[in-house]
Amino acid sequence: SQQGEEDPQALSIQEGENATMNCSYKTSINNLQWYRQNSGRGLVHLILIRSNEREKHSGRLRVTLDTSKKSSSLLITASRAADTASYFCATVEDKAAGNKLTFGGGTRVLVKP
Amino acid sequence: KAGVTQTPRYLIKTRGQQVTLSCSPISGHRSVSWYQQTPGQGLQFLFEYFSETQRNKGNFPGRFSGRQFSNSRSEMNVSTLELGDSALYLCASSHRQGPNTEAFFGQGTRLTVV
Repeated sequence: SQQGEEDPQALSIQEGENATMNCSYKTSINNLQWYRQNSGRGLVHLILIRSNEREKHSGRLRVTLDTSKKSSSLLITASRAADTASYFCATVEDKAAGNKLTFGGGTRVLVKP
Repeated sequence: KAGVTQTPRYLIKTRGQQVTLSCSPISGHRSVSWYQQTPGQGLQFLFEYFSETQRNKGNFPGRFSGRQFSNSRSEMNVSTLELGDSALYLCASSHRQGPNTEAFFGQGTRLTVV
């Protein structure tokens, strides 16, 4: 079963605009990760934020984590047509053995040139 | 460095048949996980192997099985295929054993059961 939900399910923006998507999860986590998937292909890791971190940046990506609300957000600034993809959050449960990822339902992002 | 390689890329099978999918992880990675992706259920964890041992198993019927070899390559097998097994099967490898490590995914095997 999925860990939680992502919001919105789909997002359409113009190139240059910012895109924000949110992820909620249900259990206590060790870390939360964001992945990108282009059109039914493999997933690409974007960023990992640990449960004791509140914000993390990587290039045009900014991720926040609020463990009290069990939620995270991904912000893509100055979006490009190449950012068109589905974005998934995934959690690793606290005290979990191994690297089992529990994914959200994903947000489909369309960046129009 | 070569990425995660999954073979075959596409597969069409008939109900009742069995299928074996293969995954070669990134060189040096000892953890391999499998996921099933469908439009209805999304991305679901199947199992994870580390050093030839199954470390985690998802909530799938016993028709789904896997194994890992000494060179870290992994296979998953689905027996008595059902229409609902049609999906994109993704393999991921990780370098470290612990949870704070990114997963590198292959391009997937798209299985269609007719």
